[in-house]
Order: sequence, then structure tokens, then C-alpha cells
Amino acid sequence: DTEVTQTPKHLVMGMTNKKSLKCEQHMGHRAMYWYKQKAKKPPELMFVYSYEKLSINESVPSRFSPECPNSSLLNLHLHALQPEDSALYLCASSQEQGTFYEQYFGPGTRLTVT
Amino acid sequence: AQKVTQAQTEISVVEKEDVTLDCVYETRDTTYYLFWYKQPPSGELVFLIRRNSFDEQNEISGRYSWNFQKSTSSFNFTITASQVVDSAVYFCALSGGAQKLVFGQGTRLTINP
Repeated sequence: DTEVTQTPKHLVMGMTNKKSLKCEQHMGHRAMYWYKQKAKKPPELMFVYSYEKLSINESVPSRFSPECPNSSLLNLHLHALQPEDSALYLCASSQEQGTFYEQYFGPGTRLTVT
Repeated sequence: AQKVTQAQTEISVVEKEDVTLDCVYETRDTTYYLFWYKQPPSGELVFLIRRNSFDEQNEISGRYSWNFQKSTSSFNFTITASQVVDSAVYFCALSGGAQKLVFGQGTRLTINP
């Protein structure tokens, strides 16, 4: 089963709100990723977790806060976002972090910041 | 630095035509992997294929085939007898020493009935 699930599918939030995106995989993968994708652009890497530890932070603003409670779950906490943060947020996982491993993506959360 | 170029922004063909999506990459790594992903309108990126830098054998999977040529730094993707369900955005990606996927800009493929 190569499935990554994400909730919610859609999210509309104001600039003063606090919300969280959730991602789950049950493939036994030890690396998990957050990407941001703007319309008609490729995904941009935000964070990588390897064995539940933050491995890569691509200089993402602190209003985005990732959390990996266990090897199956990945959260992205959102606070005081800007309208330009509106995008599709994709979660992915791979067996390990590394050049060799393909990533499996979830369906994404489409975020609108008003 | 690593870079992936997909020069074709959009392609539109009639069903049953063959179509080739081009991908050219740049890297200084000697060991690297190339990937193709499909993103249908639903949004999820679907993994299609992985190829390592030491394996230049072409691969065929049903109507899909991939041509890897290290001499020209290209990893092209051909769909034979295209179908409407093939309509999607296709991304070529590269993973090297930095252990991160570097995506091309994507090619939007539309198959018209």
C-alpha cells in the first residue's frame, strides 16, 4: 500500500488564525517531507524529517512549524500566515532519506489565506 | 548546482498519437538518480520511474517508455498511443549528493479525444 494521506483537503484561514496540516503514512518509511506548490510551478521543498528528527529546513519562515510526533505522522503548524502563503501543501515519504529513494506523495492540502 | 530543464511548457495532442516529453539535466555528481512524476488534476504526484546514473538501459512499461542518454544529459519520456487519462502535468526530477529532489518546471500534457 503506497498511500500517504493528508487532512484537511482544503483549508481557508485568516491571517491571525492558527491551524495545522496533518500527514500520515503506514508504509514504514523513515523519511517524511513537506513541499509547497504554487500554481503552475513545481513543488518546493520546505522540510525533511529523517527518523523523526528535522534533517533539512529550507529557510522556511517561522510562521510554518513542522512536527513529527512519530514515524507515521507529520504535522505542519501554521500561524500568522500571509496571503502569499496560499498554495498546495504536499506531504511525501520515502523509505529513507537519500538520493536513491523515490518519494510517495499525498494528495495535498489546498490552503487559502484571506 | 543541479538543474532540470523541461523546455516544453504545454503539449496538446489528439488521442492515440505518440508524444515525447523532454528532460535535460545538469549535475556535477557522478552518482545521481532521475525520476518522472505525474500530477493529475487531483493534485497528487504519482511516481512513475527511477533511473540511476550508471544504468543507461531504456525502459518500457506498457505504453510508457523512457530514454536515458548520459552523453546528452537527457531523460526523455514517451507515451505511445496516448489516452485522455494521460492528461496531467509531468515532472522530471533529479536527486544527487544533496539528497533533495530538484524538479523541472513541468510539462502540461493535454490529450484531446
